[in-house]
Amino acid sequence: GQQLNQSPQSMFIQEGEDVSMNCTSSSIFNTWLWYKQDPGEGPVLLIALYKAGELTSNGRLTAQFGITRKDSFLNISASIPSDVGIYFCAGFTSGTYKYIFGTGTRLKVLA
Amino acid sequence: ETGVTQTPRHLVMGMTNKKSLKCEQHLGHNAMYWYKQSAKKPLELMFVYNFKEQTENNSVPSRFSPECPNSSHLFLHLHTLQPEDSALYLCASSQDRGQTGELFFGEGSRLTVL
Repeated sequence: GQQLNQSPQSMFIQEGEDVSMNCTSSSIFNTWLWYKQDPGEGPVLLIALYKAGELTSNGRLTAQFGITRKDSFLNISASIPSDVGIYFCAGFTSGTYKYIFGTGTRLKVLA
Repeated sequence: ETGVTQTPRHLVMGMTNKKSLKCEQHLGHNAMYWYKQSAKKPLELMFVYNFKEQTENNSVPSRFSPECPNSSHLFLHLHTLQPEDSALYLCASSQDRGQTGELFFGEGSRLTVL
C-alpha cells in the first residue's frame, strides 16, 4: 500500500537534545496526524494538524503542517528518556477513510 | 478510561482454533477500523466500517471475519489462522465524514498463532 516517506528512520540522541523528524508525500492531505507507539502498545495520537502552515504544540512537542500540504514536521525539545519509542505520521483526506502512514522514526534517548 | 478498548490484549491460538478479538469505543465515533501491524512492517488496513456498514475490505483472507453490531463495537473473528498471521491487531475509530480526520487507536491485541 501507499506509504509516506518519513525521515530519519532511526536516531540516537542525548538526553536534553532537540529532535526533528519529517514526513513527505506526493499527495496533498487536509489533515496530518502524529503518533507515538511504545513496544506492544497501540499508537497514541500526539498532535493533529488541519490547515496548511499550521503550527501546533503539545508540551515539548511541536508539529507543523507544510505549506504545500504534502509534508509535515515534528519537533521534540529537550528530550527525556521516556521519549523513546516509534513516532509516525499519518495523512488523511476528508470524505475518505484512507489514512496513509509514514514508515516511522525510531527514537532512542541516551541518558 | 481509554477511548478505544481492545480485548484480549494477548492471545495464543492453534491453527485449528476459533477465537475473536473485541473492540469497543467510547468516543461517539461512527467509523471503526481493523489494522494489522507485523514486525518491521507498516500498518496494514484490513477492514473499515462506517455506521455499521462495511466500506472497505482490503483483500483480507476469509479466515478473518469482521462483525460490527453497532457503531461502538467491532469484532474480528479468527478461524484456521496461519503462523504468519501472528501480529499486533489494532482497532481504531474516527468520525464518519467529519473534517478533523483524527484516528484513535486501541492498545492492540497481540496474536500468536502456533
